Amino acid sequence: EAQVTQNPRYLITVTGKKLTVTCSQNMNHEYMSWYRQDPGLGLRQIYYSMNVEVTDKGDVPEGYKVSRKEKRNFPLILESPSPNQTSLYFCASSPGQGLTETQYFGPGTRLLVL
Amino acid sequence: EDQVTQSPEALRLQEGESSSLNCSYTVSGLRGLFWYRQDPGKGPEFLFTLYSAGEEKEKERLKATLTKKESFLHITAPKPEDSATYLCAVQGAGGSYIPTFGRGTSLIVHP
Repeated sequence: EAQVTQNPRYLITVTGKKLTVTCSQNMNHEYMSWYRQDPGLGLRQIYYSMNVEVTDKGDVPEGYKVSRKEKRNFPLILESPSPNQTSLYFCASSPGQGLTETQYFGPGTRLLVL
Repeated sequence: EDQVTQSPEALRLQEGESSSLNCSYTVSGLRGLFWYRQDPGKGPEFLFTLYSAGEEKEKERLKATLTKKESFLHITAPKPEDSATYLCAVQGAGGSYIPTFGRGTSLIVHP
């Protein structure tokens, strides 16, 4: 089954404790991205990657890191989480390079930073 | 800066009562306008991409249309299973590939 998977689905952590949210897709897609979704603000892109070893900032990259060492994986790293990073996070992938058509979203990771 | 405004914020319909959702946008050159459906607790599900004014796309009870300033998602004879939040997004033709999303329209269809 074609899908985007994220882990963990739910995470409670404390300020400053480094964490990683994994994302994997099995569709051989070139384009992958991370979003956060907050009430009243809609989806905002954090980082995106058009191919292996190619990443770029989205609208809200501060406090986040990403890497794309393999085509299928695109982990999101919070080196020192803060309470304002409490949010619902989505990973997405798309077959096209650059044009984000037909994005397939993962199920989401709900993060609470205390 | 690209902007997307969706209206109404919330819409309640009776089963079979057709209606439209609006997505107004400003963008410096449109690369694509996207519609997604999002069910509670799930990731958005892709519905349509529209590329140029005058374009229309259909899928079951949904039809998306596009002008130079807005897009409509028409829902014909909705069913309770069409209840969801519908998201609109645009991608401009500028240098970045960052899409801009609207806040969504929450649709509830009563049986």
